[in-house]
Amino acid sequence: KAGVTQTPRYLIKTRGQQVTLSCSPISGHRSVSWYQQTPGQGLQFLFEYFSETQRNKGNFPGRFSGRQFSNSRSEMNVSTLELGDSALYLCASSPHRGTDTQYFGPGTRLTVL
Amino acid sequence: GDSVTQMEGPVTLSEEAFLTINCTYTATGYPSLFWYVQYPGEGLQLLLKATKADDKGSNKGFEATYRKETTSFHLEKGSVQVSDSAVYFCALSRAGANNLFFGTGTRLTVIP
Repeated sequence: KAGVTQTPRYLIKTRGQQVTLSCSPISGHRSVSWYQQTPGQGLQFLFEYFSETQRNKGNFPGRFSGRQFSNSRSEMNVSTLELGDSALYLCASSPHRGTDTQYFGPGTRLTVL
Repeated sequence: GDSVTQMEGPVTLSEEAFLTINCTYTATGYPSLFWYVQYPGEGLQLLLKATKADDKGSNKGFEATYRKETTSFHLEKGSVQVSDSAVYFCALSRAGANNLFFGTGTRLTVIP
């Protein structure tokens, strides 16, 4: 099976812009979670989607949002970008909710100038 | 709340040395515990996991035992290789939840 894929792999944006990142889970996986990785804060959970519904949310401002489509693909959106949003954004998938193991994609490296 | 405390790095070892990376956790109930590894420029790969007390996870020569009495999940390997150089993350998830709580990561460098 193909792994989790994320597009694009690299992005450069300027402050105030918005950005959309995409994640395609492993075939058959229905749960998608998003994480932010920064040198200062480490790995932090953003949100989880299952059956097109957000099931769980981390402690991030409302500028961070997401959605999931009927084919389980997911997108996350960040509006009004700030310099501090520069990070590696990782997507992870699992077959269903409550499954222990999450499988991660390679990430999207976002740089905000 | 749930949290993971992981040994600070970086750690530098010679090839064939013994590796231990300490990890302790705070959680209610009985979380599942994981070690993930991140190679340069890549995402996270699951290295091993344990889902209940006294379980031992193992993979590629790495081992970790779920110790509920000491709330620990230390990672060990008897003989490291240069190819083991990476950042290692300890993590937990609560039963029924799909969000992982990660430690800060430990960078391991193995020199020939």
